[in-house]
Amino acid sequence: GNSVTQMEGPVTLSEEAFLTINCTYTATGYPSLFWYVQYPGEGLQLLLKATKADDKGSNKGFEATYRKETTSFHLEKGSVQVSDSAVYFCALISNFGNEKLTFGTGTRLTIIP
Amino acid sequence: DGGITQSPKYLFRKEGQNVTLSCEQNLNHDAMYWYRQDPGQGLRLIYYSQIVNDFQKGDIAEGYSVSREKKESFPLTVTSAQKNPTAFYLCASTYMGLAGVKNEQFFGPGTRLTVL
Repeated sequence: GNSVTQMEGPVTLSEEAFLTINCTYTATGYPSLFWYVQYPGEGLQLLLKATKADDKGSNKGFEATYRKETTSFHLEKGSVQVSDSAVYFCALISNFGNEKLTFGTGTRLTIIP
Repeated sequence: DGGITQSPKYLFRKEGQNVTLSCEQNLNHDAMYWYRQDPGQGLRLIYYSQIVNDFQKGDIAEGYSVSREKKESFPLTVTSAQKNPTAFYLCASTYMGLAGVKNEQFFGPGTRLTVL
């Protein structure tokens, strides 16, 4: 079956530090990959996505590249801000079979001023 | 504004009672989903529906029921058979795109259910 493994948190960084949150996956077929962000007490918001190998998703300074050879989709940002504090979820959906989104367990990120 | 609304935001229930969580979308999406989120865990799929009057069980359907009488609405009932219902419930929807391409899901703000 499909699975997503992401870096365990919590992660605490100082403002303007470089961020990497690792995500690797196992999937049948050719999945689409996503990063979602969840702010306290809210639902999930799509941060970025990539639908095929070597695609780079980007949004709000965050980037992630779909690496089929390493089955990875690591999230990066060059200079984090306090407002980036949230929980980040890596997820995939297979392009074959059912419609189920498979999520990682989430990584809580806290940015200190 | 297009989006997904869930109500209520907070819900309290006594043990042994059924309770229904509302989810409405005006995005004209075909598919809708219910997820459960527990602290420190990822989201787990309860039920999903790809078309009106049809739905499928997800990974943790026991103790829950749904209906899909209208395209824009997908209410979830948490029954008394659900042994540990206290959780954060998220509704999502998506559009059916090109064959073989699965699109991102859009999420509502969630309902926090507490059983007293």
